[in-house]
Amino acid sequence: GQQVMQIPQYQHVQEGEDFTTYCNSSTTLSNIQWYKQRPGGHPVFLIQLVKSGEVKKQKRLTFQFGEAKKNSSLHITATQTTDVGTYFCAGFNNAGGTSYGKLTFGQGTILTVHP
Amino acid sequence: EAGVAQSPRYKIIEKRQSVAFWCNPISGHATLYWYQQILGQGPKLLIQFQNNGVVDDSQLPKDRFSAERLKGVDSTLKIQPAKLEDSAVYLCASSLKNSGGSYGYTFGSGTRLTVV
Repeated sequence: GQQVMQIPQYQHVQEGEDFTTYCNSSTTLSNIQWYKQRPGGHPVFLIQLVKSGEVKKQKRLTFQFGEAKKNSSLHITATQTTDVGTYFCAGFNNAGGTSYGKLTFGQGTILTVHP
Repeated sequence: EAGVAQSPRYKIIEKRQSVAFWCNPISGHATLYWYQQILGQGPKLLIQFQNNGVVDDSQLPKDRFSAERLKGVDSTLKIQPAKLEDSAVYLCASSLKNSGGSYGYTFGSGTRLTVV
């Protein structure tokens, strides 16, 4: 079945440093979504990328979708303590031609920010 | 807009006992999902409903897990009998579009299950 891998598993940064997490899928995706989960919380939707090579920005966050629609990245510029949490990518695939697809999550990257 | 409601928030049971979780999705969301999140891992899809019909239950351990969404609104997930490895957070989510769309999937706060 479809697998979604994320690296790194953990990332510790000083406040103000940049952070990047990478996501790779074993299959071509229809779209990729990014979620943030604060410690003790539940996943919260950040963004969805659909087009090959797409780049989207949300303030200090930049999301990219690879040309082959199998990989993605999330880059945070100048991290803040409020960025702490686990960042998950999730690949959506309905390539089988069915009416409904499946959203498969990566294992996440845990970000800690030292003030 | 109210979010996805789940109850209970926490549950501790002994192995071989049964347990049930309840979820009420966002009003108007036809698609409802149950995910299992083991500590340190990403959420894993257990079952997906479109209205009151199951569209994917390929990863649901059907010998012990069952789920229903009888009226196409709220849903229950049951485990009987529970095993130690079922200890996890059970997340319910709903969405306007199965593919996610502009708003993605909205998750509830989850039920943290501990099996002892």
